Amino acid sequence: GDSVTQMEGPVTLSEEAFLTINCTYTATGYPSLFWYVQYPGEGLQLLLKATKADDKGSNKGFEATYRKETTSFHLEKGSVQVSDSAVYFCALSDLRTSGSRLTFGEGTQLTVNP
Amino acid sequence: DGGITQSPKYLFRKEGQNVTLSCEQNLNHDAMYWYRQDPGQGLRLIYYSQIVNDFQKGDIAEGYSVSREKKESFPLTVTSAQKNPTAFYLCASSIGPGGPREQYFGPGTRLTVT
Repeated sequence: GDSVTQMEGPVTLSEEAFLTINCTYTATGYPSLFWYVQYPGEGLQLLLKATKADDKGSNKGFEATYRKETTSFHLEKGSVQVSDSAVYFCALSDLRTSGSRLTFGEGTQLTVNP
Repeated sequence: DGGITQSPKYLFRKEGQNVTLSCEQNLNHDAMYWYRQDPGQGLRLIYYSQIVNDFQKGDIAEGYSVSREKKESFPLTVTSAQKNPTAFYLCASSIGPGGPREQYFGPGTRLTVT
């Protein structure tokens, strides 16, 4: 079945450092890919998405490119801020195998220190 | 403003009691979902509904029940049969079959059973 694997956390960075959170996936069809962010005690917010190979999703300085050849969707940001401290979830939706359901990774906790 | 509301934010119950968590959306979405999140873990799908008066079991439906009598409402009942009900519960919605696959989340309800 479908699955999403994220790099293990937690990740701790200093303000203005470069961020990469790795995400790889397994799917039999042509999934859409998503990154969600969860701040403490809150629900998930959609950060960005990509619906086909080579698409780049971007939002609030975050970017991720849908790489079909490496089945990856790594999240990057050039200069993190303290306010980016949160848990980040990679997810996929594969219409062929799971309809409208989302398959989530385990989440990566990011802490940014001033 | 359009969105998803969950109430209450915190809920406390004694073991052996059923409890119902509320989820309402005014996004005019057809599909709604319930997830469970345990500390340091990803999201697990409990139940989902793609259309009014229809719903399907997710990956961990045992001990839970739902109804979908109105498009905007998808309440979740945690029954006394659920062995470990203390968790953070998240409700989500999406446009539905044929539409964009991203889901939008409510703020969550933290349930504590003692």
